[in-house]
Amino acid sequence: DGGITQSPKYLFRKEGQNVTLSCEQNLNHDAMYWYRQDPGQGLRLIYYSQIVNDFQKGDIAEGYSVSREKKESFPLTVTSAQKNPTAFYLCASSKREDEKLFFGSGTQLSVL
Amino acid sequence: QQQVKQSPQSLIVQKGGISIINCAYENTAFDYFPWYQQFPGKGPALLIAIRPDVSEKKEGRFTISFNKSAKQFSLHIMDSQPGDSATYFCAASDKAAGNKLTFGGGTRVLVKP
Repeated sequence: DGGITQSPKYLFRKEGQNVTLSCEQNLNHDAMYWYRQDPGQGLRLIYYSQIVNDFQKGDIAEGYSVSREKKESFPLTVTSAQKNPTAFYLCASSKREDEKLFFGSGTQLSVL
Repeated sequence: QQQVKQSPQSLIVQKGGISIINCAYENTAFDYFPWYQQFPGKGPALLIAIRPDVSEKKEGRFTISFNKSAKQFSLHIMDSQPGDSATYFCAASDKAAGNKLTFGGGTRVLVKP
């Protein structure tokens, strides 16, 4: 069953803590993306990667970090520098040169 | 800078009615305009998309109308059904800039039975 798996579905962060959100895809897609969704707002791009071992900052990269060591995986770390981390985080992937994005089911991050 | 503005933020329509959502963009380099549908607790899924060389595209009950000169595009949901109740996002991208999608703010649609 091909798709994008995000885990965990819910995550809680304590003050000063770094947390990592997992994103795995078995669609053999080259490009992967992380978006942040806040209530009543659209999706804003955090980071994206079009190839293994390479990634670029999106519109709101401050306080976040990523890695792309494998084609299938694109984990997102929300660092303690992100002062307002509560949001719904969405991972997506696409074929190279293709605009169509496939999204995972998201991770809801909340601050304790 | 919000490059894609979407309206309304929410709308309520009776079953069988027409839902209309509008989007306006600023960047004339945009060359791909998709609409995504999102159900609560789920990720968005592509519903329908259009390129600027056509003025309208229809897929079942969903139609995109595109006005290049006005830099606007809209989604029409005909014969709206309760199962269409969801949040809809318009988006736009520029192939030359790497196909990164810029999303509108979203419209929450509620179809009353």
